[in-house]
Amino acid sequence: QVQLQESGPGLVKPSQTLSLTCTVSGGSISNGDSYYTWIRQHPGKGPEWIGYKFYSGRTYYNPSLESRVTISVDTSKNQFSLKLDSVTAADTAVYYCARISLWLGEFSHFDLWGRGTLVTVSS
Amino acid sequence: EIVLTQSPGTLSLSPGERATLSCRASQSVRRYLAWYQQKPGQAPRLVMYGASSRATGIPDRFSGSGSGAEFTLTVSRLEPEDFAVYYCQQYDSSPPTFGQGTKVEIK
Repeated sequence: QVQLQESGPGLVKPSQTLSLTCTVSGGSISNGDSYYTWIRQHPGKGPEWIGYKFYSGRTYYNPSLESRVTISVDTSKNQFSLKLDSVTAADTAVYYCARISLWLGEFSHFDLWGRGTLVTVSS
Repeated sequence: EIVLTQSPGTLSLSPGERATLSCRASQSVRRYLAWYQQKPGQAPRLVMYGASSRATGIPDRFSGSGSGAEFTLTVSRLEPEDFAVYYCQQYDSSPPTFGQGTKVEIK
């Protein structure tokens, strides 16, 4: 079955760029029926949706992060990546990749999650 | 963006008791409301979608109801593995948003 695995540095210095990759196994990222996204969760808080970019090029970022976020897709490696610029301590969180599921033809919920990776922003 | 408010913040119950969790949206989300269960150190796990459809592998002691702006997740008889934090999430409009969570703890 499809599995998601996040990877990347666990420690990033303030003002630098956070970079993470999600590897999709057991299924093709360019499958027209599959949609993948990034979500983060600050300690003790509810999750926060970051955004998506599909292999088709369709892109949408959370307006609260849009000026600093870039998501890219590498279909040859079956991976998608997250870059978050100019990080501060407020970006310290567990970062998850997840799959978006449809219900009645519309984006609805997140039915598959990676295990998550903790990224700490500190000098 | 749509704000989801969950209540109560913490629910202290004993195994075998009934748990009722609420989620209120700042505007109608139709039935595009999902619930997740999260245990310490784990990713959220989908429990319910479409307000009342159980996700794969979720036992029938879990039920969901509501539409518009008021939703409820009910666990009819709590099992030891049900004690966790539960989040609601909407995707009626972008960006999708989550509530702040309800912790169901052992009394």
